[in-house]
Amino acid sequence: QKEVEQNSGPLSVPEGAIASLNCTYSDRGSQSFFWYRQYSGKSPELIMFIYSNGDKEDGRFTAQLNKASQYVSLLIRDSQPSDSATYLCAVSNYNNNDMRFGAGTRLTVKP
Amino acid sequence: EPEVTQTPSHQVTQMGQEVILRCVPISNHLYFYWYRQILGQKVEFLVSFYNNEISEKSEIFDDQFSVERPDGSNFTLKIRSTKLEDSAMYFCASSLGDGNTEAFFGQGTRLTVV
Repeated sequence: QKEVEQNSGPLSVPEGAIASLNCTYSDRGSQSFFWYRQYSGKSPELIMFIYSNGDKEDGRFTAQLNKASQYVSLLIRDSQPSDSATYLCAVSNYNNNDMRFGAGTRLTVKP
Repeated sequence: EPEVTQTPSHQVTQMGQEVILRCVPISNHLYFYWYRQILGQKVEFLVSFYNNEISEKSEIFDDQFSVERPDGSNFTLKIRSTKLEDSAMYFCASSLGDGNTEAFFGQGTRLTVV
């Protein structure tokens, strides 16, 4: 069974702070790692992807991957109230034919 | 900007009836997917489709479900003999493939079985 685990939260941070979201996965063969944002009642929206160990930065977002620890994280700098959403970690194999999601972490950014 | 489109946005059906959910993936994408999300629960993988055949399917995707690409643009999910527990949001997604594995989602079809 390919498991993707996330702390369900809720995670609450003040506006302007750094939000840190974590994810672990069970399948050592996983090759592709994604972070999606999902607003209530909407579809998942891709915000970051990472394939190699280390950090990847895109604007206020940084994804971090450690394959040895089977751990992937997302940092959101200068958090804004509009960042309030559920963040979904997704993991896929090399062929990307079975991307699996974690249950998501609900983030609230308070003004 | 290209996007995945799904129809209908909401479908209500009686238990035991068959439903077909429709999707138009992004035009140059090669991999297609169906996911479902029961209200308040996680996004669950159902099936992936590549080169006109099922590439992978989950334990949820049993004989009740089937997928088809009837022409060059549409990708459909058929649910035979719907059950109350099939009520969920169904998302279609597509990815380019060939090293580009990022999947983009449609807006979803809310299926309500009564």
